[in-house]
Amino acid sequence: EVQLVESGGGLVQPGGSLRLSCAASGFSFSMYWMTWVRQAPGKGLEWVANIKQDGSTKYYVGSVKGRFTISRDNAKNSLYLQMDSVRAEDTAVYYCAINRGRAWFDPWGQGTLVTVSS
Amino acid sequence: QSVLTQPPSVSAAPGQKVIISCSGSSSNIGNGDVSWYQQVPGTAPKLLIYENNRRPSGIPDRFSGSKSGTSATLVITGLQTGDEADYYCGTWDSSLIAVVFGGGTKVAVL
Repeated sequence: EVQLVESGGGLVQPGGSLRLSCAASGFSFSMYWMTWVRQAPGKGLEWVANIKQDGSTKYYVGSVKGRFTISRDNAKNSLYLQMDSVRAEDTAVYYCAINRGRAWFDPWGQGTLVTVSS
Repeated sequence: QSVLTQPPSVSAAPGQKVIISCSGSSSNIGNGDVSWYQQVPGTAPKLLIYENNRRPSGIPDRFSGSKSGTSATLVITGLQTGDEADYYCGTWDSSLIAVVFGGGTKVAVL
């Protein structure tokens, strides 16, 4: 069974840093693009970033460029999102998902909540 | 303001049909495939439709998708109370070089 389990969320102060992890199992992790999508409380979905199988290519939404870094460790079947210089507007549930096509995702993890507040 | 435009809400009685539209432009829907997701409040999104009209295994044929030009449509027939959820369209935008989603549509079963 394919499983994606996010962790690392929590309360962080504005300007601080946080590293999210996504543990993958039940599929050949190294064969797929992977993605992060977030959802602010009561709001819609916002794609954050994705990364190619070997980590050589990455794309980001404009609002996080220069602040967030997506990475992966295929040996550990893990996806990461390093969040630096966080802002209040980064408060959201962050989901990882398998990026199966150019822009479709299946399945999604259960999400991890990040709250940016002083 | 989302790049893709969806109606905020639609509703119908059990057994009826709802149609959810997703409007974009030549740099996104007009240039690529559309996917649709269902999100029951408090849970993670679930893929309903990919590549405009293809259903993953396990998704009933009551859900169907289509695309024409710069717009896409999700149709739910035989509406059930379990279909009450938020629905999102998504695609790649070649100008933004990013994935974009619609703002979401809440489906209510009357």
